[in-house]
Amino acid sequence: EAQVTQNPRYLITVTGKKLTVTCSQNMNHEYMSWYRQDPGLGLRQIYYSMNVEVTDKGDVPEGYKVSRKEKRNFPLILESPSPNQTSLYFCATRTGAYNEQFFGPGTRLTVL
Amino acid sequence: AQSVTQLGSHVSVSEGALVLLRCNYSSSVPPYLFWYVQYPNQGLQLLLKYTSAATLVKGINGFEAEFKKSETSFHLTKPSAHMSDAAEYFCAVSHNAGNMLTFGGGTRLMVKP
Repeated sequence: EAQVTQNPRYLITVTGKKLTVTCSQNMNHEYMSWYRQDPGLGLRQIYYSMNVEVTDKGDVPEGYKVSRKEKRNFPLILESPSPNQTSLYFCATRTGAYNEQFFGPGTRLTVL
Repeated sequence: AQSVTQLGSHVSVSEGALVLLRCNYSSSVPPYLFWYVQYPNQGLQLLLKYTSAATLVKGINGFEAEFKKSETSFHLTKPSAHMSDAAEYFCAVSHNAGNMLTFGGGTRLMVKP
């Protein structure tokens, strides 16, 4: 079964404590991306990766880092989380030629 | 640059009534357009997509959308709402030369019995 998995699904942390949200896909897709979802703002792209070792900024990259050392994994790193990064985060892969994307189940992050 | 505007952050309809969710886009190149649905506590699922073939696109669960270039619109419709349609719906745009998918702010659909 085609899957994008994210861990953890829920996380409560405190300001400044580094954290990583993992994303893994089993579809051998080259393109992966991270979004954050906030009420009234829809989904906004944080970073995307066209392939291993190739990453690029999306619309809202500030405060986030990513890495793409393997094709299947695309972790999102918050070096020093702040309360304004409290959000619902989605990882996605691109499934076709039209930027159609397949989403993971989401990670709800709360930064106190 | 590309952008998406969804008119109405909340839409309420009665069960059996027509569903109309509005989406307008801006894009400097021919767009690809998508509607995604998000059920409570779940990820996003693709409903339908427009990729420059037929302007009337049929999707899952009885939804369809019509691409109107002159109006820069891609409104989502369903003739008869079911209770199970209650969810948040997102319109999104991308284009052939780009690597980003840009979303609208979302419309929460409520269905009354």
